[in-house]
Amino acid sequence: GNSVTQMEGPVTLSEEAFLTINCTYTATGYPSLFWYVQYPGEGLQLLLKATKADDKGSNKGFEATYRKETTSFHLEKGSVQVSDSAVYFCALQGTPHSGGGADGLTFGKGTHLIIQP
Amino acid sequence: DTGVSQDPRHKITKRGQNVTFRCDPISEHNRLYWYRQTLGQGPEFLTYFQNEAQLEKSRLLSDRFSAERPKGSFSTLEIQRTEQGDSAMYLCASSLEAGGWETQYFGPGTRLLVL
Repeated sequence: GNSVTQMEGPVTLSEEAFLTINCTYTATGYPSLFWYVQYPGEGLQLLLKATKADDKGSNKGFEATYRKETTSFHLEKGSVQVSDSAVYFCALQGTPHSGGGADGLTFGKGTHLIIQP
Repeated sequence: DTGVSQDPRHKITKRGQNVTFRCDPISEHNRLYWYRQTLGQGPEFLTYFQNEAQLEKSRLLSDRFSAERPKGSFSTLEIQRTEQGDSAMYLCASSLEAGGWETQYFGPGTRLLVL
């Protein structure tokens, strides 16, 4: 079955530091890959996505590249801000085109990011 | 676009009682998903609908869980004979499926506490 593994948290960084949150996956075919973010007291929000190998998703200074050869979708940001403090979830979804069939998202356990001023 | 809404936002019940949650998706979205999220974990997929058809329900946690989407718009998730282990956040998401690709948009969730 499908699975997502992401680095355990919490991850604590100083403002303006470089961020990497690792995410690897196991799936049949060619899933779509997502990063969702959950700010304190709020619901899950889509941060970025990539639907095929070598695609790069980007939003709000965050980037992630779909690497099929390493089955990875690591999240990066060059300079984090206090407002980036949140829980970040990596997720995948199989698609009919990939042979995985339509299905719900499979999420990782989440990485709690804390940015200190 | 008012986003996905869920009602109630919080529910406290006693063990053995039945509870029902409602989800209103984004108006033009044809797919609707239910997830459960426990503390410290990512959301866990339960079931989904395409319009009014429930296309996947094998992931529902037990036969005490059921979901409906009678007119292809809002959906309800019911838990019968609640147990303390059912305490969790229940999330709804909707999407517009087109050509095999979709992005799911989540509601704020219903937090259930079973005493």
